[in-house]
Amino acid sequence: DAGITQSPRHKVTETGTPVTLRCHQTENHRYMYWYRQDPGHGLRLIHYSYGVKDTDKGEVSDGYSVSRSKTEDFLLTLESATSSQTSVYFCAISPGTSGRPSYNEQFFGPGTRLTVL
Amino acid sequence: QKEVEQNSGPLSVPEGAIASLNCTYSDRGSQSFFWYRQYSGKSPELIMSIYSNGDKEDGRFTAQLNKASQYVSLLIRDSQPSDSATYLCAVTDGGATNKLIFGTGTLLAVQP
Repeated sequence: DAGITQSPRHKVTETGTPVTLRCHQTENHRYMYWYRQDPGHGLRLIHYSYGVKDTDKGEVSDGYSVSRSKTEDFLLTLESATSSQTSVYFCAISPGTSGRPSYNEQFFGPGTRLTVL
Repeated sequence: QKEVEQNSGPLSVPEGAIASLNCTYSDRGSQSFFWYRQYSGKSPELIMSIYSNGDKEDGRFTAQLNKASQYVSLLIRDSQPSDSATYLCAVTDGGATNKLIFGTGTLLAVQP
């Protein structure tokens, strides 16, 4: 998985509780992404980061926040989990070095399966 | 709304046949195009990247790009049961650097 780990790999939580998912990379890639994957919707971007402390929203960012204090770590927080946030969450990384055609390639971590009861 | 369209399948092919997977995209500004393979319960794995019109071959895989028709395809020659998976098409968001737009995927089933 291209030097990407996610933790936890599985989590069951209750509605209204805060949840933090962690993505850790050893590739020193500039870009990091959080996606969720749901049947019928495919992969949807939640938030992404283009550097330490530099983040931006994706298409489904409501109810989620992120932080990146180090190049290697990107955290996704659900402030107050809801059942609609039950999903599989994937982290991805990308070199982001312009000038090479491959700089947009994204590599995915193993995923976190989150269930909100 | 920028979209990537794929037939959800399942696409069923016999072992040894050629599997043809297709994808259309709406954003004319897209510059880079990718195919990912995703086995059930696993994460997407990048298998092909293509950046210019024409064909790109890598082993049993050939990616084809036609920017004028906004069409990308993936051919898998000599299909094997181990190729059975969901194949995701992804294209760069023409208006935003380093963001990808994904299709919902095509499920391929290779019958022994």
